Amino acid sequence: DGGITQSPKYLFRKEGQNVTLSCEQNLNHDAMYWYRQDPGQGLRLIYYSQIVNDFQKGDIAEGYSVSREKKESFPLTVTSAQKNPTAFYLCASSLAGREEQFFGPGTRLTVL
Amino acid sequence: RKEVEQDPGPFNVPEGATVAFNCTYSNSASQSFFWYRQDCRKEPKLLMSVYSSGNEDGRFTAQLNRASQYISLLIRDSKLSDSATYLCAVNMANFNKFYFGSGTKLNVKP
Repeated sequence: DGGITQSPKYLFRKEGQNVTLSCEQNLNHDAMYWYRQDPGQGLRLIYYSQIVNDFQKGDIAEGYSVSREKKESFPLTVTSAQKNPTAFYLCASSLAGREEQFFGPGTRLTVL
Repeated sequence: RKEVEQDPGPFNVPEGATVAFNCTYSNSASQSFFWYRQDCRKEPKLLMSVYSSGNEDGRFTAQLNRASQYISLLIRDSKLSDSATYLCAVNMANFNKFYFGSGTKLNVKP
């Protein structure tokens, strides 16, 4: 089945720890995105990548880092510098030249 | 001003009712518009694209008003299963960067 997978589904982290969220897609999409969603709010863009080995900061990139070494994979690291990391993290992808984005099932991160 | 704004609701309607949501956007250069549906604690799922000429898919109709800079979603003959949060998404021309609204919550009651 084609789609986007994210792991883990739930993640608990102690303050001061870095954690990495996985995002993999087998849709052959060029573009990939990371969003954060807080209760009662819309999606806010953290980072996006239009092509392998290239990525750009979104609106709330501080405290996060990404890599795009493979077309299929776009992992997000939440660093200890992120002040309020507890949130629902969503990965999405889209075809280059097309604009509909498709989402993975998300990772719920809780900082203890 | 936010790039994209929606009435958070909730809209509480009986089964069979017709309900409409609007989504306003701030940038007149925006080129692509979409509606997503998001169930509680799930990921958003693409509902439909919004074309300049409008778009209809069964009970759902989406329209674009460029002059007033808003898009709309009309749901006819509401079903219980339509209960969800509806997010609008707007992006800039030639650029795969989206802005999402905060969503409008719909509750369809028996």
